[in-house]
Amino acid sequence: SQQGEEDPQALSIQEGENATMNCSYKTSINNLQWYRQNSGRGLVHLILIRSNEREKHSGRLRVTLDTSKKSSSLLITASRAADTASYFCATRGTSGSRLTFGEGTQLTVNP
Amino acid sequence: GAVVSQHPSRVICKSGTSVKIECRSLDFQATTMFWYRQFPKKSLMLMATSNEGSKATYEQGVEKDKFLINHASLTLSTLTVTSAHPEDSSFYICSARDYGRGSTDTQYFGPGTRLTVL
Repeated sequence: SQQGEEDPQALSIQEGENATMNCSYKTSINNLQWYRQNSGRGLVHLILIRSNEREKHSGRLRVTLDTSKKSSSLLITASRAADTASYFCATRGTSGSRLTFGEGTQLTVNP
Repeated sequence: GAVVSQHPSRVICKSGTSVKIECRSLDFQATTMFWYRQFPKKSLMLMATSNEGSKATYEQGVEKDKFLINHASLTLSTLTVTSAHPEDSSFYICSARDYGRGSTDTQYFGPGTRLTVL
């Protein structure tokens, strides 16, 4: 089964609106990370939230983590056209060193 | 943040040839590097974990004789796609963990290499 499943798969909003993306996972984690990928490019690390944290902020980004529901959400406030990209959540397990990625959410912010 | 570079960024080769992709950590030492493969509009699939000075650990289903990984120094890992076929065409991304920067668990990713096998 897939670890790290994002919802929705695609999201299209207008500039200035907020964008919310969700991520669910199946196994215990040490931390959960969100990454951004512009088309044809590498990944850029956005934010990391540890398993004992519930919420974290970084600029216009707000991440929540609910370990009881094994889910996380990424909120981008006051979106800009430049936020258009794919967003991936990735989980770091409690035992291993591997980072497991979800399928991603394609966000399109229309100017 | 830390920088990971990849070279080349794009390569086109003929079927049956071998292609080497380099991954370098530019401002930190990476004892562990990771190689991922990404299909269009899909997620990253971990291919192997590369540890400096030792053999790489391959994920299930990844042919180690086809995807040769060498991590000869703390700043360089290479992935060689041997006897490439059109189905090997993909976007290959490397990543490195920087254990030296405080308590961060951040993995830094290279810009990726687009491989097209004709």
